[in-house]
Amino acid sequence: AQSVTQLDSHVSVSEGTPVLLRCNYSSSYSPSLFWYVQHPNKGLQLLLKYTSAATLVKGINGFEAEFKKSETSFHLTKPSAHMSDAAEYFCVVSDQRSQGNLIFGKGTKLSVKP
Amino acid sequence: DAGVIQSPRHEVTEMGQEVTLRCKPISGHNSLFWYRQTMMRGLELLIYFNNNVPIDDSGMPEDRFSAKMPNASFSTLKIQPSEPRDSAVYFCASSLRSVPLSSYNEQFFGPGTRLTVL
Repeated sequence: AQSVTQLDSHVSVSEGTPVLLRCNYSSSYSPSLFWYVQHPNKGLQLLLKYTSAATLVKGINGFEAEFKKSETSFHLTKPSAHMSDAAEYFCVVSDQRSQGNLIFGKGTKLSVKP
Repeated sequence: DAGVIQSPRHEVTEMGQEVTLRCKPISGHNSLFWYRQTMMRGLELLIYFNNNVPIDDSGMPEDRFSAKMPNASFSTLKIQPSEPRDSAVYFCASSLRSVPLSSYNEQFFGPGTRLTVL
């Protein structure tokens, strides 16, 4: 079965330092992978998506993620954190077995210290 | 486009009362999803519709929960009777699914309804 593991439930960084949110997936098919962001008391917003094109995917707000099939990983990075990046981030997988439905990870809460 | 619209944004009710949550998907989208988000269980898919037809309701917790989609622009999620453990944020999402089913179906989420059952 498909699954997503977000390796850290909480990540804390200082403003201006790099961000790394880790995600590993399990899928028997060619997966599509997504990162969604949820700011406090808000809905989920798509940050970026991988759909079997370029393995390095750029998203909004300076975030990017790299699909590594050999490592079954899809880690989210940003060179320099901003206070407004503080939110919860969800790694998501979708494939033919899930009939295109989204399988969510548990989420990683990102805190940014001034 | 206005995006996915949910109402109400907040609902506080007493145990045993009926609760109805509403969703208007993005115009032209043919799939609609209801999710529940809690601290303990994270995001859970409750039910989804394709072309107004319920496809998979295996995530619906129990018979107290029901969902309908009478037309392409409206869906409801009803809880009757409500219980304190139903307190959560309920999200509606919509997408445009290609035929045959594709592994890529970007879902657009509404702002959610925060339900508190006392």
